[in-house]
Amino acid sequence: EAGVTQFPSHSVIEKGQTVTLRCDPISGHDNLYWYRRVMGKEIKFLLHFVKESKQDESGMPNNRFLAERTGGTYSTLKVQPAELEDSGVYFCASSQARINNEQFFGPGTRLTVL
Amino acid sequence: ILNVEQSPQSLHVQEGDSTNFTCSFPSSNFYALHWYRWETAKSPEALFVMTLNGDEKKKGRISATLNTKEGYSYLYIKGSQPEDSATYLCAPPNSGYALNFGKGTSLLVTP
Repeated sequence: EAGVTQFPSHSVIEKGQTVTLRCDPISGHDNLYWYRRVMGKEIKFLLHFVKESKQDESGMPNNRFLAERTGGTYSTLKVQPAELEDSGVYFCASSQARINNEQFFGPGTRLTVL
Repeated sequence: ILNVEQSPQSLHVQEGDSTNFTCSFPSSNFYALHWYRWETAKSPEALFVMTLNGDEKKKGRISATLNTKEGYSYLYIKGSQPEDSATYLCAPPNSGYALNFGKGTSLLVTP
């Protein structure tokens, strides 16, 4: 069974540009999560989808970040316009059940904003 | 957002040594405690999901205990090997699903 995949693995963009990250969860997992790790800090929760619905987006830093999960399959996270402080590793995870269920993580997308 | 503390921040041991790390978290409104193993540029790998006070789980040479009343969990590695080198993260979920990660314990095992 394929794990969680993320694309691209690395992205280097200039301040003010737009970047779109993609996550493909494990097939059949209704729950999809985005997390971010800024250098030297903890991995922080961004938001949670159940199928195509946003259940919790309390961790989204500001309105430059837009996450979608059309059709309840893969998800995208767009940053527009990117700022220097957006640099970090963006992780996606998925799980079957919501409460206390093991979350399977992708390898992350390393975003560098210059 | 839960305040999660992990100690030590980093650890360097010799191959064959046994070691342990601590994760401290608020004991109120406890849902579960997740442990992950993470090597840079790879996916964080789930080790354990612990829910009950007094829980003890084991996977090979790695084991973990949980004390929800006092708000801590220990992760033990018996007979450390170089391939155990990684960052070990604990994460109690907020409201049951959004994981709150600690900064992790970075373990280096040298031959």
